[in-house]
Amino acid sequence: DAGVIQSPRHEVTEMGQEVTLRCKPISGHDYLFWYRQTMMRGLELLIYFNNNVPIDDSGMPEDRFSAKMPNASFSTLKIQPSEPRDSAVYFCASSLAQGYSYEQYFGPGTRLTVT
Amino acid sequence: GESVGLHLPTLSVQEGDNSIINCAYSNSASDYFIWYKQESGKGPQFIIDIRSNMDKRQGQRVTVLLNKTVKHLSLQIAATQPGDSAVYFCAETSYNTDKLIFGTGTRLQVFP
Repeated sequence: DAGVIQSPRHEVTEMGQEVTLRCKPISGHDYLFWYRQTMMRGLELLIYFNNNVPIDDSGMPEDRFSAKMPNASFSTLKIQPSEPRDSAVYFCASSLAQGYSYEQYFGPGTRLTVT
Repeated sequence: GESVGLHLPTLSVQEGDNSIINCAYSNSASDYFIWYKQESGKGPQFIIDIRSNMDKRQGQRVTVLLNKTVKHLSLQIAATQPGDSAVYFCAETSYNTDKLIFGTGTRLQVFP
């Protein structure tokens, strides 16, 4: 298994531009999570999906952020327009709903720099 | 204004010694806990978990201890190796949510 795949690994963009981050979860996993990691705030949950349906988006900072999961093997996190304070590492994670287990498998992350 | 970043506590240990990393969790209703390891440039990686009906669980070279009375977790790493150098996070959750709440992390540095 290739694990959780994220692309791009690095993204540098100018303020005001649209940014799209992509994630392919582990095949068969029911849950997909988007996190943001910064030195200021640590690791924060932005949104998560169960069976492609958004369950909790209370961590999404503002309307500039949106996430979709059109099918079980693909999700996107979009920032439009981007701002310098969005600079962070964005992680996607997936997990399998299997009894009472919460092991989440993380991707390598996308390092976003907004100038 | 001036921005202040998280100041990660750092534990420095000599190779071969045992390491103990501590975590105070926030929610008394949490009943499941996980330790993650994050190496530089990588995503967090699962190490070991423990449910609230246990106070100790052992893995390969790692042991997690849970003290629900004071809401405290610890991760013990035996015979620490250079490859153990990373940031370690505890995470908590409960049966009625799918969300993990991560702590701020502790940086472990192993020196020869």
